[in-house]
Amino acid sequence: DAKTTQPTSMDCAEGRAANLPCNHSTISGNEYVYWYRQIHSQGPQYIIHGLKNNETNEMASLIITEDRKSSTLILPHATLRDTAVYYCIVRAREPQKLVFGQGTRLTINP
Amino acid sequence: DTAVSQTPKYLVTQMGNDKSIKCEQNLGHDTMYWYKQDSKKFLKIMFSYNNKELIINETVPNRFSPKSPDKAHLNLHINSLELGDSAVYFCASSQVSGTGYTFGSGTRLTVV
Repeated sequence: DAKTTQPTSMDCAEGRAANLPCNHSTISGNEYVYWYRQIHSQGPQYIIHGLKNNETNEMASLIITEDRKSSTLILPHATLRDTAVYYCIVRAREPQKLVFGQGTRLTINP
Repeated sequence: DTAVSQTPKYLVTQMGNDKSIKCEQNLGHDTMYWYKQDSKKFLKIMFSYNNKELIINETVPNRFSPKSPDKAHLNLHINSLELGDSAVYFCASSQVSGTGYTFGSGTRLTVV
């Protein structure tokens, strides 16, 4: 699975959009970009995933660059409950193995 | 509620003991996993089972033995517990043809 690079930490004001970047310059053509988050002491939570098109769901939007070497997770209106560690992971559908890096610790400030 | 549930939530035990952690999912998923999160917060996969068959074993000491009686359950048995086994253990499940993993809320194991 390709490796990802994320900033160690970020801050964002409550109510603003939180934009979390991820570099995955060695991504292969069959690898998807997945985002998960882990709120303190809880199990990781799936947020969104995509292959090459931009994706949006009730939690977030995922913007993938045309060359697929980087992506951005957007939380449109961050709340205090969005404070968590966010993991960007790239992997193919098979084998079924999710490998977590160190992630970005996002702190939403009031 | 549809979920991945783990028991117990907390487990404190002495070195050398044998303990088990249970995991059950009612999502109808066909693949289940065990992850370990150590004190540095790194999440590492340990095992994966697909329809009761072991498909991933990430060089975990053989003191750790997963058991899957059916595809809805994946238990983790640990023999001769060591101080370094102290961590939070997460169970997860997914569907092979599906997308995201669903994680349990974790079991905090403390070996004293």
